[in-house]
Order: sequence, then structure tokens, then C-alpha cells
Amino acid sequence: DVKVTQSSRYLVKRTGEKVFLECVQDMDHENMFWYRQDPGLGLRLIYFSYDVKMKEKGDIPEGYSVSREKKERFSLILESASTNQTSMYLCASSSNRRDFYEQYFGPGTRLTVT
Amino acid sequence: DAKTTQPTSMDCAEGRAANLPCNHSTISGNEYVYWYRQIHSQGPQYIIHGLKNNETNEMASLIITEDRKSSTLILPHATLRDTAVYYCIGSGAGSYQLTFGKGTKLSVIP
Repeated sequence: DVKVTQSSRYLVKRTGEKVFLECVQDMDHENMFWYRQDPGLGLRLIYFSYDVKMKEKGDIPEGYSVSREKKERFSLILESASTNQTSMYLCASSSNRRDFYEQYFGPGTRLTVT
Repeated sequence: DAKTTQPTSMDCAEGRAANLPCNHSTISGNEYVYWYRQIHSQGPQYIIHGLKNNETNEMASLIITEDRKSSTLILPHATLRDTAVYYCIGSGAGSYQLTFGKGTKLSVIP
């Protein structure tokens, strides 16, 4: 089974703090994604990576950066957390050997910025 | 991306088949239909996808009409753990992301 793990289930941070969210997958997938999910807005793509050190912006990259130094690990960084970044953050991965849209998700990190 | 339409909610008795419909009349010829579900407070879970042939895996079956304007996801023996929101999605040419609509909230009742 594909396993995607995220560093925290729940996180509370203060406005202005730098926040790191980590995601690890164990299936040698080429593609990794960071989404956020908000009520009424659905799932929105922040960034995705198709290879080590490669990244593409999604629909809402502002206020976020990402890092992919190893194939299995994809980090999302909130440079200076703000209250409007309170959300559920979801990491996913997929393999080019199967299908790009067959994405496997982690359990999510519910981030609250106060 | 194809616009998909699903019923807002459905109930199914435990042990019975759950048949979840999806209309995707604007789907293009090379666009796949994907099904995901999301159990409360968890990440979305991939279920199955198909282009024009019917598909089956260990979780579900997918029936796509010949004109590809609609499909039905079938959970053959629904359990309480299948209670979730089910999303039908068109893959969309050139789009990186999954675009989830409102989905169907399936409640499996004992």
C-alpha cells in the first residue's frame, strides 16, 4: 500500500512565525503535491513537484514556498504565517508509471494561525 | 475540465450495493473519469478511474455509459466505513490539479 505521512495532524502557530510542514511517501513516486482544503472552496493546489529540486506553482502559491531535496520528501514552508493560512493542508503523491491523477493523500495537517 | 454533477446526498443500507451516479456531459474524448472519496477529517482516497470501458478493482466498480456522458460508481456491499463524501472528477487536459466539486455524501445505515 502507498503510504503518505505528514509530520503533524494538528498545529497551532502564531502570526509571523515560519512554519514547516513535511510530507514523506514510501512508494518512489515522482510527483508530489501540496493542497489546502477550506469549507466551500474545495481542494486548491499550492505547489507540486515532478522531480527532485523541481517545482511548479499551483493556483495559490502566494505566501508559500516548497522544497524537495529528496525524492520521498516534500516540504511546504509558510514564510510568515498569517491568519488566512489557517486551513487543512494535504500532501499527495502520484507515479508516472501509473497515472498522474491517481493521487494518494496523507492524513492532512490542520493548521491554526492565531 | 469536464463539469460534473452529482446528487448532494444518498443513503444506503449496510450490506447492500451503493450506486453513485455522476453526470459529465462535457467530458472530452481523452479525458478520464476519476472517483475519490473523503471520510470525515481524513485525506481524500483514490478509488478508481476509467476512460470508456467498465473497470473493477478491490474497492469498487465503475460503469461508464457508451456516450461517456455519465458514469456510476458501485460499492457492491456497503459497510459503515464507506460513509464518506464521494467525488467524481474529470482529469482535464493540461491541468495539474484535481478539482473536486461538492460530491455526494453517502450515508451507510445499519
